[in-house]
Amino acid sequence: DTAVSQTPKYLVTQMGNDKSIKCEQNLGHDTMYWYKQDSKKFLKIMFSYNNKELIINETVPNRFSPKSPDKAHLNLHINSLELGDSAVYFCASSQGIEGVQGAFGYTFGSGTRLTVV
Amino acid sequence: GENVEQHPSTLSVQEGDSAVIKCTYSDSASNYFPWYKQELGKRPQLIIDIRSNVGEKKDQRIAVTLNKTAKHFSLHITETQPEDSAVYFCAASLSGGSYIPTFGRGTSLIVHP
Repeated sequence: DTAVSQTPKYLVTQMGNDKSIKCEQNLGHDTMYWYKQDSKKFLKIMFSYNNKELIINETVPNRFSPKSPDKAHLNLHINSLELGDSAVYFCASSQGIEGVQGAFGYTFGSGTRLTVV
Repeated sequence: GENVEQHPSTLSVQEGDSAVIKCTYSDSASNYFPWYKQELGKRPQLIIDIRSNVGEKKDQRIAVTLNKTAKHFSLHITETQPEDSAVYFCAASLSGGSYIPTFGRGTSLIVHP
C-alpha cells in the first residue's frame, strides 16, 4: 500500500551501461519529480513533470531522461553511466493544485541507491 | 532563482534539550515553507509546513516560525528524544504551478541519550 514506490532499491552496474529506475505513485498527485542525493545529503532536483509540462534542471546531463507513460508513473532512464552518477535517487510526487491548503508537500519514494563501478 | 541557506549543518544536543534550525531565503515571492526529516537510510518525510499568511505553527513537540520581513524561518524541537536524530531539510517555494521548491543543505541533528 506504499504511496510512492520505486524499484529497484539497489542497483550496481558497470560504467557505460544503460539503466532505468521505475517510480509509481497511487496518491492521485499531479506532479512527479526525480531528485539526486549525493554523499553530502544534498537534494538536487533533476526533473519535474506533470501532464502538461516537463521541467528539466539544465545542469542535468542529457544522458538522463524521464519517461512518463501515464500520470502515475515517472521512470528515469540513464545512458552511458559514469562513476559520478553514483548516488541515491529519489522519486517524489505532490498535488500541485493551486489554492489547496497543504497540497504542496512532497511524498518521497524509498530511494534507489545506484552504484556505478 | 531562489536561494535557501540552512544553519547549522550539524547540531548536537542532550536528550530533553531544545533544538533550533534556521533557514533564510532570497525570493520574497516564496510563500510555502516545508520541513522534511530524513532518518538514516530512509526517505525524507514531510514533518511540518507553514504558509506565508501564518507566523507560527505547532504540532506537538515541533514548531515552525516564519518572519517574512527578514525572510527567515526556523524549526523548533522541544524535549528532544534520541529518535529525533536525523537530517532535517528546509525548503522554500511558491504554492501552485510548476514552481519547484529549493531545499536547504540539511542539518544533521544528533540527540544524545
